[in-house]
Amino acid sequence: QKEVEQDPGPLSVPEGAIVSLNCTYSNSAFQYFMWYRQYSRKGPELLMYTYSSGNKEDGRFTAQVDKSSKYISLFIRDSQPSDSATYLCAMSAANSGYSTLTFGKGTMLLVSP
Amino acid sequence: DAGITQSPRHKVTETGTPVTLRCHQTENHRYMYWYRQDPGHGLRLIHYSYGVKDTDKGEVSDGYSVSRSKTEDFLLTLESATSSQTSVYFCAITPTQNTGELFFGEGSRLTVL
Repeated sequence: QKEVEQDPGPLSVPEGAIVSLNCTYSNSAFQYFMWYRQYSRKGPELLMYTYSSGNKEDGRFTAQVDKSSKYISLFIRDSQPSDSATYLCAMSAANSGYSTLTFGKGTMLLVSP
Repeated sequence: DAGITQSPRHKVTETGTPVTLRCHQTENHRYMYWYRQDPGHGLRLIHYSYGVKDTDKGEVSDGYSVSRSKTEDFLLTLESATSSQTSVYFCAITPTQNTGELFFGEGSRLTVL
């Protein structure tokens, strides 16, 4: 079993739709959870960051962590064509040293006008 | 944007030749990382650095070496490039360990013929 599982997509939605992106993981030591957005031929950029369980909201984006189910989600409300990108989940454990991030393989999102 | 510059951005080389990729940062961050990104594999850590002259291996370090003689520069060297090293290479930096808030460069696309 991979440490982090993420559906590669592509996920195609019309503009204005609510998007749900998800990752599951197996390592119960993970405590830091991140979502990165990567546009085509660009480097990943940090979108959302959460520690432990709960929700975090930033504009149209909501990150949700359910540690009991080992499941994290990213919700995008009122999706826009500019949201078309690959979304990578990433996670790390506390006190795990310098090389800590485990990435999902990314979900490609396509938002059509 | 985080001050990270990767060079070269694109390179085509032949099997058996040495290749050096450079990552330069203007943020004075302590931690620097080299990742490769391949379809079906996502982002994988090659090497990382936690200070000048302090480096360590990641999960896919075979065939790669690194050096960090100054805070701002982190070099990745392929001693004898192979076709399996055709990939997109990303440098990342962070001021803090463990939390996983990485800032990525734009990437270096390497093709080994």
